[in-house]
Amino acid sequence: ETGVTQTPRHLVMGMTNKKSLKCEQHLGHNAMYWYKQSAKKPLELMFVYNFKEQTENNSVPSRFSPECPNSSHLFLHLHTLQPEDSALYLCASSQRPPERGVPPSTDTQYFGPGTRLTVL
Amino acid sequence: AQTVTQSQPEMSVQEAETVTLSCTYDTSENNYYLFWYKQPPSRQMILVIRQEAYKQQNATENRFSVNFQKAAKSFSLKISDSQLGDTAMYFCATSSTRVVGLIWGAGTKLIIKP
Repeated sequence: ETGVTQTPRHLVMGMTNKKSLKCEQHLGHNAMYWYKQSAKKPLELMFVYNFKEQTENNSVPSRFSPECPNSSHLFLHLHTLQPEDSALYLCASSQRPPERGVPPSTDTQYFGPGTRLTVL
Repeated sequence: AQTVTQSQPEMSVQEAETVTLSCTYDTSENNYYLFWYKQPPSRQMILVIRQEAYKQQNATENRFSVNFQKAAKSFSLKISDSQLGDTAMYFCATSSTRVVGLIWGAGTKLIIKP
């Protein structure tokens, strides 16, 4: 157990549905992340939050809408998804958020187990 | 764009053998970090080992060690005395000041056979 939980673990939805993914971290971290993991491809960073503020949006389609009400909780709201959005969605947290242009830290990201999303 | 390449999509070895997973990366930076993450079939990704680029000494964590060749931009992971629990996807990643977060490889699926 790494201190990051995600619900649900599996989700099947139609293209017209609206659903939400939830992530919670119990590590006292300040940064939270959403990743998309597709088979045989590198992890794709979607969003980064630092102290509840969104600091990164990697050109993610608007059908994905993140929400971070506090530094321990992160949501990903889904609506009108496409079949190609089917993937494993991973949440992660770290003590310090990454910043472009700042020398990197050794900060480790702690991952949740993921939500396996299937869009029909 | 900076990239991380894991040239072995899948590997399998017998239990107790030593296995090496390869990773090469492309960067123009001098100060960065390299990571190996493990994702077992239960899917929770965990950090295996990390290396600071300015340190010449290779990092080790119990049965896991790296062979860091900075000039060649190579960062391989060696697993000694492999165990069934080592069966997982292994991802290599590097940090960069030019992007937020890490740059990830596509992963190597490692199967340890009894």
